Amino acid sequence: QSVLTQPPSVSGAPGQRVTISCTGSSSNIGAGYDVHWYQQLPGTAPKLLIYGNSNRPSGVPDRFSGSKSGTSASLAITGLQAEDEADYYCQSYDSSLSGSYYVFGTGTKVTVL
Amino acid sequence: EVQLVESGGGLVKPGGSLRLSCAASGFTFSSYSMNWVRQAPGKGLEWVSSISSSSSYIYYADSVKGRFTISRDNAKNSLYLQMNSLRAEDTAVYYCARDSLGITALDIWGQGTMVTVSS
Repeated sequence: QSVLTQPPSVSGAPGQRVTISCTGSSSNIGAGYDVHWYQQLPGTAPKLLIYGNSNRPSGVPDRFSGSKSGTSASLAITGLQAEDEADYYCQSYDSSLSGSYYVFGTGTKVTVL
Repeated sequence: EVQLVESGGGLVKPGGSLRLSCAASGFTFSSYSMNWVRQAPGKGLEWVSSISSSSSYIYYADSVKGRFTISRDNAKNSLYLQMNSLRAEDTAVYYCARDSLGITALDIWGQGTMVTVSS
């Protein structure tokens, strides 16, 4: 029941910049709720990468950045590295007549060429 | 070290029950809301349930409402998920995850426990 839409995959050569979009609606991102991003390396649990739209937890390299505008958000990875090959998920909060709950994006696989 | 460790997963027949546990350490468990998030094989993340720090507020995804029950024991630093009337579509890795104070992000995750529902 993903209500946030992401591209299935993006790819780039080492050193390049890639961006991942996360499109929501007026009941989640467009309602002003924050967007957070998670990185999931193969075979591991998700890890918080960006919180509050654009903030990095301690230890996350500054080549990861996030932004939000209207009903969408984006994650950018600059200076792409081999270790960035992973699945990335956006997450927000959704409040509608059916209730309020956390929602995740459909996920994007980043491939380093 | 801040840590969450899930246990209790396994193979269960359709219609059966299972109880997952999540042991927390390295932080004041009673101060945080907690969540269960699942991931079906090869699929994305799905939020399952949330419980506030004092168990006053509990929420469920529509897909599990009426079948799953979340609970916690702050004295034991533990989170639980009682899963009844299990279906094949409940097959997934189940993660417990901590709510970050003041924002709607999940800042600490366990390693996950696999639940397989199959005859």
